[in-house]
Amino acid sequence: DAGVTQSPTHLIKTRGQHVTLRCSPISGHKSVSWYQQVLGQGPQFIFQYYEKEERGRGNFPDRFSARQFPNYSSELNVNALLLGDSALYLCASSLEGLYSNQPQHFGDGTRLSIL
Amino acid sequence: AQTVTQSQPEMSVQEAETVTLSCTYDTSESNYYLFWYKQPPSRQMILVIRQEAYKQQNATENRFSVNFQKAAKSFSLKISDSQLGDTAMYFCAFGGSNYKLTFGKGTLLTVNP
Repeated sequence: DAGVTQSPTHLIKTRGQHVTLRCSPISGHKSVSWYQQVLGQGPQFIFQYYEKEERGRGNFPDRFSARQFPNYSSELNVNALLLGDSALYLCASSLEGLYSNQPQHFGDGTRLSIL
Repeated sequence: AQTVTQSQPEMSVQEAETVTLSCTYDTSESNYYLFWYKQPPSRQMILVIRQEAYKQQNATENRFSVNFQKAAKSFSLKISDSQLGDTAMYFCAFGGSNYKLTFGKGTLLTVNP
């Protein structure tokens, strides 16, 4: 079975631009979460979606938004990019939400660099 | 808000030896999960082991085991018979009722031949 897939693998943008990152969960998984991992730090929670509804949001500005589609894939959008948005963006999927017996499985991430 | 602290930024161990990585956390919740994730240079975050807070028995997965001390809010990871492939960043993570994982800053483990 395929794991969590993310695209693109790498992305270079300039300040002020907009970016869309994509994630396909493991087949059968209904929950998708997004994390930002700055170099040298642990991942920071951005969003969680379950059954196409937002269940949780981390401490990120409104420039960050996300959605989940009927096939449970997800997009993370970031507007008005800043240099500080440079990071590895990780997507994780699970059968249900976190508060269950199911762990989160991570993709390889999208490396976003802002020039 | 929950916090997770990993006090060892870097550790090293000789191949075949045992190493313990430390993690402490702070929470007011009574039901939660604790995890150790491994992130090799290939960057994919891989689940190593998990512990449900309501279970007193420490979790084990082959060469990996935890020492979960709920009262002390401590959750250490022991790796036995260390292998070169264990070289990676190790993150301790807390999962509570608010649908997110809170990660520590990580410990870089190097296994030397």
